[in-house]
Parts: sequence; structure tokens; C-alpha cells
Amino acid sequence: NAGVTQTPKFQVLKTGQSMTLQCAQDMNHNSMYWYRQDPGMGLRLIYYSASEGTTDKGEVPNGYNVSRLNKREFSLRLESAAPSQTSVYFCASTNELSSYEQYFGPGTRLTVT
Amino acid sequence: DAKTTQPPSMDCAEGRAANLPCNHSTISGNEYVYWYRQIHSQGPQYIIHGLKNNETNEMASLIITEDRKSSTLILPHATLRDTAVYYCIVKTMEYGNKLVFGAGTILRVKS
Repeated sequence: NAGVTQTPKFQVLKTGQSMTLQCAQDMNHNSMYWYRQDPGMGLRLIYYSASEGTTDKGEVPNGYNVSRLNKREFSLRLESAAPSQTSVYFCASTNELSSYEQYFGPGTRLTVT
Repeated sequence: DAKTTQPPSMDCAEGRAANLPCNHSTISGNEYVYWYRQIHSQGPQYIIHGLKNNETNEMASLIITEDRKSSTLILPHATLRDTAVYYCIVKTMEYGNKLVFGAGTILRVKS
């Protein structure tokens, strides 16, 4: 059981470039989440998916798009990266949206220059 | 969701109990108290949660005051590997309600 996996681990982009962060879970969870964490701050929710085929905005969705490709995979896309999007991005999953225990991936460290 | 207040940092000697406080004076009756921790550079990890009774699991104990306005997470025998940021979160279990992470408490366990 790998849990929640994220690729890539590190990425450097130039302003205006696009990229997709990949997340997959093998726990058969229904709900998946994308967070960002800026230095010295707590996590902020970008988007979430309650179940396959649904996505909703979180606290800070601007500049991002998501795709729930299937039950296992939830990707986050930056169409035109900006320096303000320099952050660590975490993906998480839970059995149900109201579940108390979220399982987090190892994170993707993104730098936009 | 109710807001929480935690001290920004705490120190604890290795082998001693670490007691991390959290104030949530505006907590409502159906809001649970959750604790997560984040070890450096890793994703957060769930520790424990409770509604009004004290809870214990293999990682920690959670003590909630009778008026539920504050709680304490107890790590009974802290080790160096417990050095992390600890987040206290309150929220309901209603469908669609999500975790909101604040700044947390940095716990430094020292030998």
C-alpha cells in the first residue's frame, strides 16, 4: 500500500509556464484534496473532490484547475505560473468528505521564478 | 467553524510528557476537536480527535475541558521524532465540511 503519491517531488518553472501536479491514492478513497503551504504558514485548501466526477473550489482556487481523472487520481494544473504560486503542494484523501482522518502525500515543492 | 488559538512554540525534554494547549472558546456543540502534526517537510499526519470525552490512542491523549472551550494534547513520553508542528482544528462532521489549518505550535523535543 503506497498510500498517497505525488509527482514530481520538485519543480522549477518560469513565470507563464504551465504544469500539472499529479496525485494518486490506492486506498479506494472517495474524497481527494489539494492544499498549498507557504513558508511558516498552515495549509490552505485549493480544490477538493468529494467523489469521482465532482470538484469544488476551496479557499484559494484562483490560478488553478483540477481534474478528477478517476477514483484514484486527482491532478492540479497551473495554466500560467506566477511567483506567488511558489509553495509546497500537498494532496490528501479520505474515505468520505466528512471523515476525520485525511491521508497526505509527501508534497511537491514548486518554485516559480 | 470555531477558531483556535495555540502557542507558537514549546519546548519539551526527551522522555517527558509534552502538553500542548489549544483554546477554542467559540466551539459549538457539534464541533469536534482534531489534532494533526507535520514533521519537517512531510505531509500532515492525523493524531487524534474528540467531541467531549477524553480520548486516548497509541500516539497521544486528548483532554477536553468540561465546557469544551479548551483542550490539551498529551504526548506521554516525547521523543526527538515528535519534534513537529502540531495543529489543533475544530470542525463539524457534516458532509462538505473541511479541515482548516492554522499556524499551529512548533514543538521542539530536546535531549
